This record gives sequence, C-alpha cells and structure tokens, in this order.
Amino acid sequence: DADVTQTPRNRITKTGKRIMLECSQTKGHDRMYWYRQDPGLGLRLIYYSFDVKDINKGEISDGYSVSRQAQAKFSLSLESAIPNQTALYFCATSDPRDRGGYEQYFGPGTRLTVT
Amino acid sequence: GEDVEQSLFLSVREGDSSVINCTYTDSSSTYLYWYKQEPGAGLQLLTYIFSNMDMKQDQRLTVLLNKKDKHLSLRIADTQTGDSAIYFCAETPDSNYQLIWGAGTKLIIKP
Repeated sequence: DADVTQTPRNRITKTGKRIMLECSQTKGHDRMYWYRQDPGLGLRLIYYSFDVKDINKGEISDGYSVSRQAQAKFSLSLESAIPNQTALYFCATSDPRDRGGYEQYFGPGTRLTVT
Repeated sequence: GEDVEQSLFLSVREGDSSVINCTYTDSSSTYLYWYKQEPGAGLQLLTYIFSNMDMKQDQRLTVLLNKKDKHLSLRIADTQTGDSAIYFCAETPDSNYQLIWGAGTKLIIKP
C-alpha cells in the first residue's frame, strides 16, 4: 500500500465551487506539505504543517486553506475555485530525522480542473 | 531571494549519457537533491548530495557539485527509455526545513 495517498486523483469542478483535496499518510511523519505543480513552474508550496497545531502559509496560499485533522491527515480546500487554480496538486511528508529533515515523500497527485 | 534554475527540456539518444544541469543561489544549502517524476506519478527521491561532497556515484547516476559556481549536475549513463521523466533539482536553504525547487527538466529519449 502507498505510504502517502491523495483523494480524489482527478476532479473537474466549476468556478465558484468549494472543493476539498485530502491527503493521508501511514509514514508516521509529523511534517506535511501541499504543493501545486504547473508546467514550466515546478513545484510551489501552498501550506505546510510541522505538527497538528502548527500550520504555516507557503509561497502561494491566497485562495487556499488547510486543515490538519490528525497527524496522518492534511486537507487542502479551495473556498471558491477559479480557473487559474487548475493544476496538479501534491501532498508530501517529511521526517526531521531523514537527511536533516529535508527529504520529502510525495503522494501520487490530484489533477484539478476548474471550468 | 533563493532560486533554482534548470533547463526545461533535454533530448538524448537511447544509450547515450544524459547530463541535467541545475544552478542554485543559496550557498548555505546543506543537501541538494534530485527527484524524478515519471508520467502520471508523484515525485520520488532519486539521489542527493551533501554539501561537503563534490561527487557522488550510484550505479548509472553521477552527481557533481561545484559549490564555487553553485552548480549541480546529474549524469545518467546509458540512458534507457525508462529514464523518460521530469527531473527536479532542489536545494535546502538554512531555514524552515523547506525545499526550493527548480522548474524541472523533461528528459526525452530518442530511439
């Protein structure tokens, strides 16, 4: 079984709709991250959480919110989706004991299309 | 600010060596990483190099680090069709345990 899972894997939604992307992990890691990937732009950090009570904005948090429901679960919400939020979204985890805390383990991604 | 730059595409013939280059800006980075993203999948760590090293070899992969020029490269020997992927370079600035990512280089293998 995959260590980091994301649901849904694909989603098409309309402008203005609220949508939630979910991430679960069985690695036992405290640190979790949400990224979006756009062609030619690489990965951009949306939010990150170092434990259940610690949530931080990343580079591009506007239009997004997150919830860390448990150590294993980290959800990303788009309160009112807009077309330029069409992208591939990745969840990742890390452990401070791995390579100084920097190595990250990725889920398979959620492809979101906003029409 | 911190920045990581890579070419967006590299095309090589099957059996040749591929060299993917990356430049970074933060000289305090402790680790530098290469991640691989196969089509339809998430990123996986391919290899990494600690900042006090200048070379690391792992089977067909060779990582070279030039700290003076802030240049990192990944050489894949005997490139195979299974090496087709996007390769991301990432650095670790000295705060917040975040990774700074390059845009990714898409490796295209020609028969």
